[in-house]
Amino acid sequence: ETVMTQSPVTLAVSPGETATLSCRASQSVSGNLAWYRHTPGQTPRLLIYGASTRAPGVPDRFSGRGYGTEFTLTISGLQSEDFAVYYCQQYSDWPPVTFGGGTRVEI
Amino acid sequence: EVQLEESGGGLVQPGGSRKLSCEAFGFTFRNFWMTWVRQAPGKGLEWVANIKGDGSVTTYVDSVKGRFTISRDNDKDSLYLEMNNLRVDDTAMYYCARCYSSGAIEDSWGQGTLVTVSP
Repeated sequence: ETVMTQSPVTLAVSPGETATLSCRASQSVSGNLAWYRHTPGQTPRLLIYGASTRAPGVPDRFSGRGYGTEFTLTISGLQSEDFAVYYCQQYSDWPPVTFGGGTRVEI
Repeated sequence: EVQLEESGGGLVQPGGSRKLSCEAFGFTFRNFWMTWVRQAPGKGLEWVANIKGDGSVTTYVDSVKGRFTISRDNDKDSLYLEMNNLRVDDTAMYYCARCYSSGAIEDSWGQGTLVTVSP
């Protein structure tokens, strides 16, 4: 099983600033990585797949990069709806598909 | 518009059973892999199982193998998760989700249904 580790666990950022989130895989997942945003009380939303491709309708303030075992999600110009928990997910080596433990972005 | 509506959650005793349903709207259901993902209280997302569009392939996380069964009825545009021998640590919000590509990349999610396993 590929273990996904996200850091930091919590990130405090001010509105309008930039947040950088990290995700590390225990073994190479090539570019088979997705990012999701989960706001409490709402459903998770797919943001990025293929490590760097934005899902339809996702604003360009979200950008992903990385390959192999190291990945980052950058959120520029944080807006109120961006204060949420973010999960990375690998789908290279499944089953099982595995999620990271999440990074909470808070004000 | 893609919509997924889960139902069937509730309070169950340890060792008991429950069957969750997820009805799909707004897309050609049979063409997509579907997934169940759960979130225990205060915890992160955990992938549970997925099933190919024609139902011919199913996969599971080890912790539910032999206890949970994922299935689908493409004539009813519905996905199911039959859960047996439930444990306290199965307590979670259960989401059904559509897979964008093969068995992963969940691009549409339901609102979830809560399963509580407690004596």
